[in-house]
Amino acid sequence: DVKVTQSSRYLVKRTGEKVFLECVQDMDHENMFWYRQDPGLGLRLIYFSYDVKMKEKGDIPEGYSVSREKKERFSLILESASTNQTSMYLCASSFQTETGANVLTFGAGSRLTVL
Amino acid sequence: AQSVAQPEDQVNVAEGNPLTVKCTYSVSGNPYLFWYVQYPNRGLQFLLKYITGDNLVKGSYGFEAEFNKSQTSFHLKKPSALVSDSALYFCATSSGGYQKVTFGTGTKLQVIP
Repeated sequence: DVKVTQSSRYLVKRTGEKVFLECVQDMDHENMFWYRQDPGLGLRLIYFSYDVKMKEKGDIPEGYSVSREKKERFSLILESASTNQTSMYLCASSFQTETGANVLTFGAGSRLTVL
Repeated sequence: AQSVAQPEDQVNVAEGNPLTVKCTYSVSGNPYLFWYVQYPNRGLQFLLKYITGDNLVKGSYGFEAEFNKSQTSFHLKKPSALVSDSALYFCATSSGGYQKVTFGTGTKLQVIP
């Protein structure tokens, strides 16, 4: 089974802190994604990466950055956490296809609370 | 730009009755459409996808979805609902060789015993 592992299930941070969310996949997927899930807003794409050291902004990149130094690992960074970044963060990965018809495999999620 | 819309926040259906969860899409070019499910306190799981070909797509757990190009819709269906189908359902799309996958806002399905 493909496994996508998110390092922290629950985090509580204070406003202004730097936050790292780590994600590791074990199936040699080229693509990795970070989404946030909020009630009524569904899943919104923050950033994705289609190769090592490559990244593309999603729909809501403001306040976030990412790092992909190794193929299996994709990190989401909140440089200075704010209360409006309290959310469930979902990491996903997929193979790359010519069509873009990619099936995503998701991690269990990281619930971040910023006080 | 690509997007999907799920017009219903919640759908209630009695156990044993057919269920439909609605999704409409807006993409340029050929759409690739997906349904995912999120059971309580669990991660999202892939249910089914449409790429090309037969407009009726069959997926996991007895679910199917019908692609309708003229109505730009991709509704999720099941002939007979189970209480265990109660979950949050997300429609998603990608297109044109681009690797980005865009999700809808989700529909909560409640199956009443």
